Amino acid sequence: SQQGEEDPQALSIQEGENATMNCSYKTSINNLQWYRQNSGRGLVHLILIRSNEREKHSGRLRVTLDTSKKSSSLLITASRAADTASYFCATSPSGNTPLVFGKGTRLSVIA
Amino acid sequence: DTEVTQTPKHLVMGMTNKKSLKCEQHMGHRAMYWYKQKAKKPPELMFVYSYEKLSINESVPSRFSPECPNSSLLNLHLHALQPEDSALYLCASSQDPGILGNQPQHFGDGTRLSIL
Repeated sequence: SQQGEEDPQALSIQEGENATMNCSYKTSINNLQWYRQNSGRGLVHLILIRSNEREKHSGRLRVTLDTSKKSSSLLITASRAADTASYFCATSPSGNTPLVFGKGTRLSVIA
Repeated sequence: DTEVTQTPKHLVMGMTNKKSLKCEQHMGHRAMYWYKQKAKKPPELMFVYSYEKLSINESVPSRFSPECPNSSLLNLHLHALQPEDSALYLCASSQDPGILGNQPQHFGDGTRLSIL
């Protein structure tokens, strides 16, 4: 079963708006990762946040992690049509077990 | 452009055919992965190779046979597939097999497989 569950399953916003996606997971983790997948393409790694970090930024991306609630959020600010994609969180219960991907959020940014 | 190259991009095969999917990376990564992805679903792990040795097989049917000829190449041999095996097959790599879940993975763009 998936370790992570994204919410919402689908999100549609206007260009320029912010998009927020959430991920909840079940077991303790060492880190949580976010990936983007454009239609018909492979996954692209966006950001990795470690369990002792609470917030991380990369360009227009802001990721938070709340280990007490076993949840993370991905915020994309000033969204663009090119941000249209599926976004997956991925976790690993321990360092040497492979990643398990959540169900993903499908983001549509309308120009 | 991705640093993990998969060929072919598309493959249509009958249930009695034998074909192979190929994956190549030149980043010096020593962990390589095969995933299966159905439409609107997350990738599902099939196999992991660590230092060119099969380290994880997620109970994949024997009609899928992985091979890692060297540290840069990963193959997936297909034989007697079923229609439900139609999916996007993704290859990925990461740097250190000792910390599989603690590092980013780099994905290829996949092979879109259709079984007739």
